[in-house]
Parts: sequence; structure tokens; C-alpha cells
Amino acid sequence: QKEVEQNSGPLSVPEGAIASLNCTYSDRVSQSFFWYRQYSGKSPELIMSIYSNGDKEDGRFTAQLNKASQYVSLLIRDSQPSDSATYLCAVIPDSSYKLIFGSGTRLLVRP
Amino acid sequence: GAVVSQHPSRVICKSGTSVKIECRSLDFQATTMFWYRQFPKQSLMLMATSNEGSKATYEQGVEKDKFLINHASLTLSTLTVTSAHPEDSSFYICSARGTGSTYNSPLHFGNGTRLTVT
Repeated sequence: QKEVEQNSGPLSVPEGAIASLNCTYSDRVSQSFFWYRQYSGKSPELIMSIYSNGDKEDGRFTAQLNKASQYVSLLIRDSQPSDSATYLCAVIPDSSYKLIFGSGTRLLVRP
Repeated sequence: GAVVSQHPSRVICKSGTSVKIECRSLDFQATTMFWYRQFPKQSLMLMATSNEGSKATYEQGVEKDKFLINHASLTLSTLTVTSAHPEDSSFYICSARGTGSTYNSPLHFGNGTRLTVT
């Protein structure tokens, strides 16, 4: 089983809609979770980090964490065409300091 | 703050030659740097972890004699792809965590190096 799993997509939403991106992880003791955005040919850029159960909001982005279900999600409100990118879920599974990435979900926001 | 500079951004080399990629932390000291590789339409795969002044730790399946990593200072780590072959063509990305960061702090990424081996 992969450590971090994501649906590869593409997830297609109309402009202005809410995009919901999901991620599951296998290591129950994981404590640190991140969402990165990657445009084609570019390196990842950090969108959100979340460490506690519940919701964390930052502008149009909301990260949700449920450690019991080993599930983390990212909601993007009022999606814009410029949000079209691959969204990578990443987890630090233990105290080894390593950041492990999921395979990414490609989001397409239609004008 | 927390800028990571990676050079070169793009390199084309002939099969059998070696290529060196530099990763610098510009405004912070990086005790730990990570090297990732990304093939087209795939995710980032961790290759190795380097700590300043010590040997790098390689992930399973990554040849340490082929991918030489040096982390000689708190602001510079290098990855040398030795005797490159076309299958080494990939997007190589470095990342760093600062000295004041905790183990679960986010990583700062360089802009990546697109390596093409002909």
C-alpha cells in the first residue's frame, strides 16, 4: 500500500465552484500534513499545512484533517482558471523528517 | 524569506558524462536538504536526505555511487549524476529545512533542474 494516496483526476470544475481534493495516508502515527500546488514544469509551492484534527482556513483554501479516518482534504472555494494545476498531498509519517508525496490530483477549472 | 536557489534550471548532456546540480539556501541556514526526482506525470520521489557535514542517506533503490550528494556547508548541497544515461532524464528538485525549523516544518523547494541525457 502506498503511503499517501490521491485520485489522479483530472477533476474538472466550472469557474466559481468549490473544488474538493482528497488524500488518504497509511501511517496512523503521522502528525504533519501539507498541500502543495505544482504547475506544469515548475516546482511545488506550499498552500497549506495542518497538524490538528478539524478545519484550517486560509483565504479561499480550507484544509480538513481527520486522523481517525487517516484522511486529509483541501477545499478551494470560488475556483479560478489560475487554480488549474496538480495538487500534491504530502505527509511526514514519523520523526524521520522526510516529506512523502502522493501522486497528485490534476485540477482543471473551466472558464 | 526561505529562498532556495537551484542551478542550473535546465541541462542537456551526452550519455556517459556527469552533471552537477547545486542547491543553495539564500537567506537561511539549511541543516537538512532533500533531493527529489520527478518523472513526467508522476509525483516527487525522495532520492536522498543530506545533513551538513555528514554522509547522505539514500532511499531504497537509489544508487549512491551514481547520485553523489555533498552537503559541505549550511547553505550548499550538490547532486552529481555520474555517467548519466537517458533513463536518468528527469526533473530534479532540491528542498531544504532551516536550522530553526522543527522536524515537521514545511520544506522550501528550489525551482528544479530539468536534465535531459541524449
